[in-house]
This record gives sequence, C-alpha cells and structure tokens, in this order.
Amino acid sequence: GENVEQHPSTLSVQEGDSAVIKCTYSDSASNYFPWYKQELGKRPQLIIDIRSNVGEKKDQRIAVTLNKTAKHFSLHITETQPEDSAVYFCAASLETGANNLFFGTGTRLTVIP
Amino acid sequence: KAGVTQTPRYLIKTRGQQVTLSCSPISGHRSVSWYQQTPGQGLQFLFEYFSETQRNKGNFPGRFSGRQFSNSRSEMNVSTLELGDSALYLCASSLVGVTGAEAFFGQGTRLTVV
Repeated sequence: GENVEQHPSTLSVQEGDSAVIKCTYSDSASNYFPWYKQELGKRPQLIIDIRSNVGEKKDQRIAVTLNKTAKHFSLHITETQPEDSAVYFCAASLETGANNLFFGTGTRLTVIP
Repeated sequence: KAGVTQTPRYLIKTRGQQVTLSCSPISGHRSVSWYQQTPGQGLQFLFEYFSETQRNKGNFPGRFSGRQFSNSRSEMNVSTLELGDSALYLCASSLVGVTGAEAFFGQGTRLTVV
C-alpha cells in the first residue's frame, strides 16, 4: 500500500517568516494530495489540495507544489501568523476527492509572536 | 448543512470487551471512512464504505470491522479490545470521485481501553 513520509515532525518559526513542510509518497499511481490542518482538540480540516495534472497551486498565503517524477510534494506557508500554529498532515490517494487517504505522521508548527 | 457527527465522544472500556462507534455523514455523502489517530502513528486509514459496501481497507487486524446502512450512516466495531486500541477514532465523509470534493472529518470518538 501507499507509504507517506513527512518532514519535519516539529517546526518553529517567527511570526512573518515562511514555513515549508515536505512529504514523499511511494505509490506512483497516487494522484490526489490534500493537506489537512488540525488544531488542538479539533478535527482535521482541509486547507489545500493538488491533483497530479497540476504542479503548483496557491491560495492566499498557502501554496502546494508537486513533483510527480520525484514523488514528493510540499506545503509552503508565507507570512506566518500565530493562528497558523497547529499540526499539519499531508496525505496521498489514488482518487480525487478520495476518502481513503494515507497520511504522513504530521508536522507540529509553532509560530512565535 | 450539518457536519459529520460521531457518537459517543468519549468511551472507556476494559480489555477484552468490544465497542461500537457510530458516524453520521454529511447529507448526500455516500462514502464514509474510518481512521485511527494516535500520538505515535498519526492518522491511519482503517476502511472505507460506499453504498453499503466496503470499498477499501487499511492494514488493521480483523478485530476491526465496520458496516454502512442504507442511509449512509456507518458503524465501526472493535472486538476483544487491547490496550493499544486506545486512540481517537475519526470518521470522514466525502462525495468521492467528484471533482473538487474533499473528505470532511467528524470530531472523533476518544476510546480509552483500561
């Protein structure tokens, strides 16, 4: 089955700096890559996703890049704010809008005011 | 529109017992999946049900089972509970296969096995 690795496991940045989280996947057939944000005690929520026919997608301060040849994708958060502090999970699946997601182990991001 | 609802929110069970968790998806969503979240292993996919049929399955032992009803509500059952089954169990529903669709998660059921 699919195996997703995520780095780093923890990340601390100063407010206003950028944060980058990287993931690799093993199954070359995967074509849907969502990112979820989970605040303490809350449910995971989708923040951005990308499909295999797109190399990059941006939504305000958040961007995701995908390199299918190397089988890795990254989340970029610019101008970080304290409310960005949370655990971020990358995931991979064979199907767009999929509900059988294989997750990375998560990155705890702390934005220091 | 109501979100994904899971009941109960908290459960304490004894080793060897069995437990049933319930998930009501967003109206119109026919896909319901279950995930186990633990501090050490992160979010792990258990199984997915679509139109009352198990469509995909993760790498969990047969003690973990589920089912889906005609109204898309789903239940997950864990038999012969072990201490290591203590976790947050999340379900997610989706309009799978629809461009732009996403998986929406419930608040989870926190299971503690003592």
